[in-house]
Order: sequence, then structure tokens, then C-alpha cells
Amino acid sequence: DAGVIQSPRHEVTEMGQEVTLRCKPISGHDYLFWYRQTMMRGLELLIYFNNNVPIDDSGMPEDRFSAKMPNASFSTLKIQPSEPRDSAVYFCASSLGIQGTSYEQYFGPGTRLTVT
Amino acid sequence: QKEVEQDPGPLSVPEGAIVSLNCTYSNSAFQYFMWYRQYSRKGPELLMYTYSSGNKEDGRFTAQVDKSSKYISLFIRDSQPSDSATYLCAMSAGTYKYIFGTGTRLKVLA
Repeated sequence: DAGVIQSPRHEVTEMGQEVTLRCKPISGHDYLFWYRQTMMRGLELLIYFNNNVPIDDSGMPEDRFSAKMPNASFSTLKIQPSEPRDSAVYFCASSLGIQGTSYEQYFGPGTRLTVT
Repeated sequence: QKEVEQDPGPLSVPEGAIVSLNCTYSNSAFQYFMWYRQYSRKGPELLMYTYSSGNKEDGRFTAQVDKSSKYISLFIRDSQPSDSATYLCAMSAGTYKYIFGTGTRLKVLA
């Protein structure tokens, strides 16, 4: 399996522009997670989905952030409008979701976002 | 106060040394404890997973959980330069919502 795939790997944009990050989870995994990583705050969970349905979006910082999962093999995280403080590495992760056995989450390579 | 505290380091050790990495936490509901390793410019990957208290060993790695002290540790024996990475602890109360520490940067010198 190719693992979790994220695109783009790097994104540089100007303040106020819309940014869309994409993720393809591992086939067969029914949980998908979006995280943000910064030096100051570490790795923070933004939102996660189970079977394409958002379960917990309490980590989404504000209304400028939105996430969708239209099918089992694709998810997007959108920031509109973007701000310099959104600069971070955004990770997507997926999990097989076997309760009581393992909660292992498999992470993608991340998208490094820079907002100028 | 953060739910999970982790010393950011950096921690530099000579090759072959025993490394001790630690996290403290405040939420007594945490039951699942994980250690992830993250190489530079890569995503985190799971190293060790422990449920509740006790020890777990996997090769050169040992994870310990002390729920009474709200303290977890990862020990690396015979450390190698290839162990140089950032180590993240993560915890869960039984859901898929992980709380991560900020990570400890480790450098093993050849």
C-alpha cells in the first residue's frame, strides 16, 4: 500500500487567499484525521471523520477552516481566507479503527503551508 | 497548564547510551499511551503502544506507564545515530482523539 497521500507537499500563498489541502487515506481505513503541527503548540487534532462523517471538529480553530470527506478515499481541508498565523505543517492520518486492539494512526508526509 | 507536558530538548547522547524520554499528564481518564517517532520533514510513525499501567518491551525500546504519578517513559537501549529524531508521546481516554506532547528532539552522536 502507498500509505496516506497528501498534496501538495508545500504551499506558499498570500494572506487572504483560499488554500485547499488534500488527503487520500489508506484503503480500508474508516477513520481519517487532520492535524496541525507548529513549534509552539506541537501536534493538534483539528477534526476527525468516521465512515466519511465528521465526529469531532472541536479542534478547528475558527470558521475560516472547513473539512470535507465526500467519499472513503478523499478528504479536503480548506482555509478561507488564509492568515499568516495559519502557517504550519498539516498532517492527515488514517486508522483502521479496531476498538480495543490498537488505535494506531498512520500519518501522511504532511503539507507545509506558508502564508505571507 | 497543558494536558500533556514534554521536555522539548534537544537531548544529545553518545552512541550506545541509554536514553530516557518522559511525559507527564494531568487527565486521569487517559488509558492509552503511545510513543511516536518523527524524522525531520516526515510524518510521525508509531513506535510503542501501551494500555493502562505497566511496562512493554520491543527490541531496544521499553515503554513504561505509571498512572498513579501520571508519568510515562520511553527508554532506548544501545542508542544508534539512526534513532536521532523527535519523539512524541500521545494519550487517549479511549477514543480516537489523541492528545500529543510537543515532542523531544533526540540526537545520537556517532
